[in-house]
Amino acid sequence: SQELEQSPQSLIVQEGKNLTINCTSSKTLYGLYWYKQKYGEGLIFLMMLQKGGEEKSHEKITAKLDEKKQQSSLHITASQPSHAGIYLCGADGTGGGNKLTFGTGTQLKVEL
Amino acid sequence: NAGVMQNPRHLVRRRGQEARLRCSPMKGHSHVYWYRQLPEEGLKFMVYLQKENIIDESGMPKERFSAEFPKEGPSILRIQQVVRGDSAAYFCASSPTSGGESSYEQYFGPGTRLTVT
Repeated sequence: SQELEQSPQSLIVQEGKNLTINCTSSKTLYGLYWYKQKYGEGLIFLMMLQKGGEEKSHEKITAKLDEKKQQSSLHITASQPSHAGIYLCGADGTGGGNKLTFGTGTQLKVEL
Repeated sequence: NAGVMQNPRHLVRRRGQEARLRCSPMKGHSHVYWYRQLPEEGLKFMVYLQKENIIDESGMPKERFSAEFPKEGPSILRIQQVVRGDSAAYFCASSPTSGGESSYEQYFGPGTRLTVT
């Protein structure tokens, strides 16, 4: 079965600093999803990557999928308190986009 | 365009009772997924449904759990004879009907937090 490992598990940064969260899969990915979850709430869709080497950006968040499609990174530039939350990567290991496997999450805190 | 709707947001049941969780997908979405997030654990896939069909239920516990997505109305996740171990957050997601890359994007609802006492 597919396993996803996220690092770091938790992260505290000062406002304005850049940060990177990594997600590594034990198997080749057909699709890699990034979500943000605030404690006690639902998941907010950030981005989906499908092609090796693909990179997408939304506002100050950039996600990349490596050429081998087994690792993804999420980079936040000039972090703000609104970026705080739990970031989850999800993987489509079958190609159908139907059954996602999720990592255990990275908790991000942004200090003023 | 309203997002994925789930109700109730919080549900308390005594052991042995039934729990019914409802999910209305986004407009234009006919694919529904249910996931469960147990305390201190990650999000786990349960079941994938299209209208009137269960496509993949490989993540559903063998007993007491069932799901449906009727032609009309919301998708229902039903848990019979709940036990304390069923206490968790249950999330529903939906994805578009149309083809192309966007059909793989899953949008999540706010979740239903089930507490079994």
